[in-house]
Amino acid sequence: GAGVSQSPSNKVTEKGKDVELRCDPISGHTALYWYRQSLGQGLEFLIYFQGNSAPDKSGLPSDRFSAERTGGSVSTLTIQRTQQEDSAVYLCASSLSSGMISEQYFGPGTRLTVT
Amino acid sequence: QQQVKQSPQSLIVQKGGISIINCAYENTAFDYFPWYQQFPGKGPALLIAIRPDVSEKKEGRFTISFNKSAKQFSLHIMDSQPGDSATYFCAARGAQKLVFGQGTRLTINP
Repeated sequence: GAGVSQSPSNKVTEKGKDVELRCDPISGHTALYWYRQSLGQGLEFLIYFQGNSAPDKSGLPSDRFSAERTGGSVSTLTIQRTQQEDSAVYLCASSLSSGMISEQYFGPGTRLTVT
Repeated sequence: QQQVKQSPQSLIVQKGGISIINCAYENTAFDYFPWYQQFPGKGPALLIAIRPDVSEKKEGRFTISFNKSAKQFSLHIMDSQPGDSATYFCAARGAQKLVFGQGTRLTINP
């Protein structure tokens, strides 16, 4: 079956512009995660959604970052007034459930470059 | 306390050799320790994982060794192959979230 897909694969934007990154999780997966991977760094947790529960936003670095998940499926990560330090690869992952020890399946990521 | 420290940052091993990557953690509430493999331009993929009540898990050429008292775990790749060249991340699960190490770039020389 189809894996996690993300779009766009690459995004170049000017400092100060808003960007939206999209994630389509694996069908039937109730948990969805967003991570940020800066060059040469590990994965930094941003936010996760589990079913209809309130999302865990504890990893969002500033109020310029927000995310939503519509209908328990597709998710959009929005970065407002982008800064150069926002340049990174943004990865989305989904799993059957976050309540169990369930493998997270990652998408290929969106490479964001802020000029 | 939520950090996972991974070493080395980069590693070069000859084909057929053993690759060893180490991780250490502080939070004793972590309940699951996966290793991920990432190729350039791809998302990470689960390689192997272990729970803290087990000291070792082997899957093919890949083995996790887990030392609960020392709060350390490591990945061993036996008979390393050029196709194993990738970046490897250890992780630990706490509060239903994964905390990742900084990654190890592994190069296997033919």
